[in-house]
Amino acid sequence: DAKTTQPPSMDCAEGRAANLPCNHSTISGNEYVYWYRQIHSQGPQYIIHGLKNNETNEMASLIITEDRKSSTLILPHATLRDTAVYYCIVRVATGSNYKLTFGKGTLLTVNP
Amino acid sequence: NAGVTQTPKFRILKIGQSMTLQCTQDMNHNYMYWYRQDPGMGLKLIYYSVGAGITDKGEVPNGYNVSRSTTEDFPLRLELAAPSQTSVYFCASSGELNTEAFFGQGTRLTVV
Repeated sequence: DAKTTQPPSMDCAEGRAANLPCNHSTISGNEYVYWYRQIHSQGPQYIIHGLKNNETNEMASLIITEDRKSSTLILPHATLRDTAVYYCIVRVATGSNYKLTFGKGTLLTVNP
Repeated sequence: NAGVTQTPKFRILKIGQSMTLQCTQDMNHNYMYWYRQDPGMGLKLIYYSVGAGITDKGEVPNGYNVSRSTTEDFPLRLELAAPSQTSVYFCASSGELNTEAFFGQGTRLTVV
């Protein structure tokens, strides 16, 4: 799996959009970009994933650059409950490599 | 749906004791994973499995063993507990490679 680079921490004001960046410059053509988050000491929670196109669901939007070397997770209206560690992961979709490997993530703190 | 269930939630072990952390999922998922998370750190992959009878090592397999005799269950065995194995252990499962993984709530293990 390709390596990812995320800032260790970010702050965001409540009600504003939170934009979390992720670099994955060595991503391969068949690798997906996934985002998970971990609130306090709970088990990680899936947020969204994509391959090439931008994706949106009820939780967030995922913007992937055209060269696929970076992506941004957008929480459109951050709330205090969005304070968590956010993990960006790239993962191959086929073949025998089915590991799901986490990096250090970004601690997002949403402030009142 | 119960999802991914881990037992026990908490456990204190003495050095040299052994124990099995249980993980079961009711979603008929092929892929299952075991992670450990030390305080303030990210998740480290211990072992993973693509189906019954097939397991493979992750990043930190030393001191652990796994088995996958059924699709539903993926127990993690600690044979000779050491203080370095004090951690929170998470089990996860996913249906296919390009789908989300579901995590259990974790087992908090302390070795004294």
